[in-house]
Amino acid sequence: NAGVTQTPKFRILKIGQSMTLQCTQDMNHNYMYWYRQDPGMGLKLIYYSVGAGITDKGEVPNGYNVSRSTTEDFPLRLELAAPSQTSVYFCASRVLLSSYEQYFGPGTRLTVT
Amino acid sequence: GQQVMQIPQYQHVQEGEDFTTYCNSSTTLSNIQWYKQRPGGHPVFLIQLVKSGEVKKQKRLTFQFGEAKKNSSLHITATQTTDVGTYFCASTSRTGNQFYFGTGTSLTVIP
Repeated sequence: NAGVTQTPKFRILKIGQSMTLQCTQDMNHNYMYWYRQDPGMGLKLIYYSVGAGITDKGEVPNGYNVSRSTTEDFPLRLELAAPSQTSVYFCASRVLLSSYEQYFGPGTRLTVT
Repeated sequence: GQQVMQIPQYQHVQEGEDFTTYCNSSTTLSNIQWYKQRPGGHPVFLIQLVKSGEVKKQKRLTFQFGEAKKNSSLHITATQTTDVGTYFCASTSRTGNQFYFGTGTSLTVIP
């Protein structure tokens, strides 16, 4: 199993551009999460999904959108990128509500200039 | 949402010394998880605690969940250079769907 994969690894965007961060998991996990991590800070939840077709906002959803059309994929869309969205983005998955273990992808380092 | 405060922010220790990081909340936590993130890496799950007063051990690591379920600690005995990284605590919302992470403790081990 590849686990949780994310693409791209790095990206530089200009202000106002848009992009999609890809996240795929091959563990058949129902729960998936998107986090951002700013330097020296913990992880902040952007959006999460409890299953295909179901998504909900986390702590910091503004400026982002998600979709979950399949169990495997959970893309994160940035519209009109702003410098405040410069961060490292992590996708994670989780198998059961009764288990709190999250499996994280390797992350995408995004710079908006 | 659940707020978890973590201290200290940074800790430098000589190899062989012990290390402890603390996670505190003003409200009762449903559960606590601990993660380790190596420099440039992604968070890796270490353990979860759900019961009041629970203590779990993993080799040189000891995890505790407070009796009131408002605090937790991670203690490493006789640190090694492989312990370098940032240690995060996390907890879930009441529904169990959302996670809230502490700000982390960055551990540096001096050989």
